[in-house]
Amino acid sequence: GAVVSQHPSRVICKSGTSVKIECRSLDFQATTMFWYRQFPKQSLMLMATSNEGSKATYEQGVEKDKFLINHASLTLSTLTVTSAHPEDSSFYICSATIGGSYNEQFFGPGTRLTVL
Amino acid sequence: LAKTTQPISMDSYEGQEVNITCSHNNIATNDYITWYQQFPSQGPRFIIQGYKTKVTNEVASLFIPADRKSSTLSLPRVSLSDTAVYYCLVGARNAGNMLTFGGGTRLMVKP
Repeated sequence: GAVVSQHPSRVICKSGTSVKIECRSLDFQATTMFWYRQFPKQSLMLMATSNEGSKATYEQGVEKDKFLINHASLTLSTLTVTSAHPEDSSFYICSATIGGSYNEQFFGPGTRLTVL
Repeated sequence: LAKTTQPISMDSYEGQEVNITCSHNNIATNDYITWYQQFPSQGPRFIIQGYKTKVTNEVASLFIPADRKSSTLSLPRVSLSDTAVYYCLVGARNAGNMLTFGGGTRLMVKP
């Protein structure tokens, strides 16, 4: 099946620093990638939709200048949390779809971000 | 987007059949129903998808009544490893239309 990886799986950083999370589709080309955030004991919340070669579309309430998304190729999307604060600590999950009329989401394993 | 309602949690024992029901009263004609499973600190994993009646695969069955206002995920003979959160999503089968995760159902399988 289609495999999506994320790197790093876990990151701890100091408040005020920036953190980059990579999402890769390993065995398929992903026309669209999605970024979610999940707080403990809560559901996934969509942050943004990323299409290769174009600007990401952010959900209401998500700061585009704080959560920078780059989708430079059909196999790689990156999420950069800029000037991270403790309240940004969360589980960040990406997903990717192949495209076409049937678009099952293939999810990455997630990245645990802890901001001290 | 159709909103979904699921029980917050369920308990079961090993070997039992578990049925988790999801309500989606305002499902649209083009909407499909998809179920995902999520283990702690992992991304969700696709379980099954259907449009109407019954769908079965190697891990689960999905029952959808004629009015499609609800659906039931059936897990046969659960084991401890089935302890997870199960999410029901409703939306059209194209990118950008099945992205709203509800609260999910936390299933606890006991020995």
